[in-house]
Amino acid sequence: DSGVTQTPKHLITATGQRVTLRCSPRSGDLSVYWYQQSLDQGLQFLIQYYNGEERAKGNILERFSAQQFPDLHSELNLSSLELGDSALYFCASSPRGADNYGYTFGSGTRLTVV
Amino acid sequence: AQSVTQLGSHVSVSEGALVLLRCNYSSSVPPYLFWYVQYPNQGLQLLLKYTSAATLVKGINGFEAEFKKSETSFHLTKPSAHMSDAAEYFCAVSAPASNTGKLIFGQGTTLQVKP
Repeated sequence: DSGVTQTPKHLITATGQRVTLRCSPRSGDLSVYWYQQSLDQGLQFLIQYYNGEERAKGNILERFSAQQFPDLHSELNLSSLELGDSALYFCASSPRGADNYGYTFGSGTRLTVV
Repeated sequence: AQSVTQLGSHVSVSEGALVLLRCNYSSSVPPYLFWYVQYPNQGLQLLLKYTSAATLVKGINGFEAEFKKSETSFHLTKPSAHMSDAAEYFCAVSAPASNTGKLIFGQGTTLQVKP
């Protein structure tokens, strides 16, 4: 157990729907990062939150949004889902906003859009 | 901007043989570099990291990597492969001078270990 908890582990939904992925960071970590992993794109950075504020933005679609709550858990919202959104979504956490410790990853949410 | 290139999407070695996974980086500032391993149906686990101290970095499970600035490389090695090393390996780079801890990952290299 890495200490980073992601729920649900698996999600199957239809095109056009909206889903919410949840992440609880490791205790004491203030930053949360979201990544999308797919066969054709590899690991793509989506967004980082640090202590409730957006810190960095990557290749995140406008149909996707995220937030970090006061208790530091984070949610990634995916709407108007398309078949191409099927992927593994990872959350990771780190102690600070910009540091050299590397991340601790959760085990991911596998999203299948049908 | 930072980027990482992993040479070889698939590497196959025999058990007991040397493991060499190649990573080249591009960075406009002195980088921090990382290697992660991903086992099937699991998240990524940090193997080792370079953060501008010693250029030869030792990690878990007998892996090590050497930072070579002149070659912009950070190759991962292990003297003797074990069956349990079969997994996907990712090299990643971050920019310590930036105000973010985001990592840019390479495309990954799948390591196959043959008995």
